[in-house]
Amino acid sequence: KAGVTQTPRYLIKTRGQQVTLSCSPISGHRSVSWYQQTPGQGLQFLFEYFSETQRNKGNFPGRFSGRQFSNSRSEMNVSTLELGDSALYLCASSLFSANEQYFGPGTRLTVT
Amino acid sequence: KQEVTQIPAALSVPEGENLVLNCSFTDSAIYNLQWFRQDPGKGLTSLLLIQSSQREQTSGRLNASLDKSSGRSTLYIAASQPGDSATYLCAVKRGYGGATNKLIFGTGTLLAVQP
Repeated sequence: KAGVTQTPRYLIKTRGQQVTLSCSPISGHRSVSWYQQTPGQGLQFLFEYFSETQRNKGNFPGRFSGRQFSNSRSEMNVSTLELGDSALYLCASSLFSANEQYFGPGTRLTVT
Repeated sequence: KQEVTQIPAALSVPEGENLVLNCSFTDSAIYNLQWFRQDPGKGLTSLLLIQSSQREQTSGRLNASLDKSSGRSTLYIAASQPGDSATYLCAVKRGYGGATNKLIFGTGTLLAVQP
C-alpha cells in the first residue's frame, strides 16, 4: 500500500506570494493533519480534516488555510508569504482519529 | 496546556550499546503516545504507538513504556546500530479520543550511534 505522498517536495517562493501544498493520504484513510516544522519552534499543529470537515485548527494566522476533498486528498494554502513561513510542512493521515498516524516526506518551503 | 519534554536533547553512544530515551508530558489526560524517528530533511517514521490503557509496546529491538500517572514514557533501544542514528520524537494525543487527531510533539532527541 502506498504511503502518504506530498507534492511538491521542494518549493522556493518570494515574500508576498502565495503557495498551495498538496497531500494524498494512504488509501482508505479519512483523517489528514498538517504540521509545520522549524528549527526554532519544532513541530507545530496547523489543522486537521476528517471527511472534508476541518475539525481542529492550531494557533496560526488566517493566512494559513486548508481543505479536504471527497477523495480525502488535502491541500493547504499560505497567502502573503513571510520569511518566517520557511519550514518543512508535513502531512499525516490515519484511518480514524483513534489510530496511528503516518507522515509523508514533507514539502520544504523556502521564502526569500 | 500540554507540554512535552525530551531529555537528553542529544546523545552519542558506541555501536552495540543499549540506550533509553525519555519523554515527559505535563497533562496525564492523554489518549495515546506515539514515538517517531526522523532522518535529516525527511518525514517522520512511526515506531510505536501506546494507547493510554497500555503500559508498553515492543517492536523488534524497540520497547516503549508509558506511565501516565507520572507523565513519562521511555523508548528503549537494544543493541544500537549506526542505522539507528536519527532524531527521535515523542508525541501525545490528548484524551478526547476521536474528537481530534492533534499531536503535541516533544523537541526530540538527536541520537548518534558511532561505529
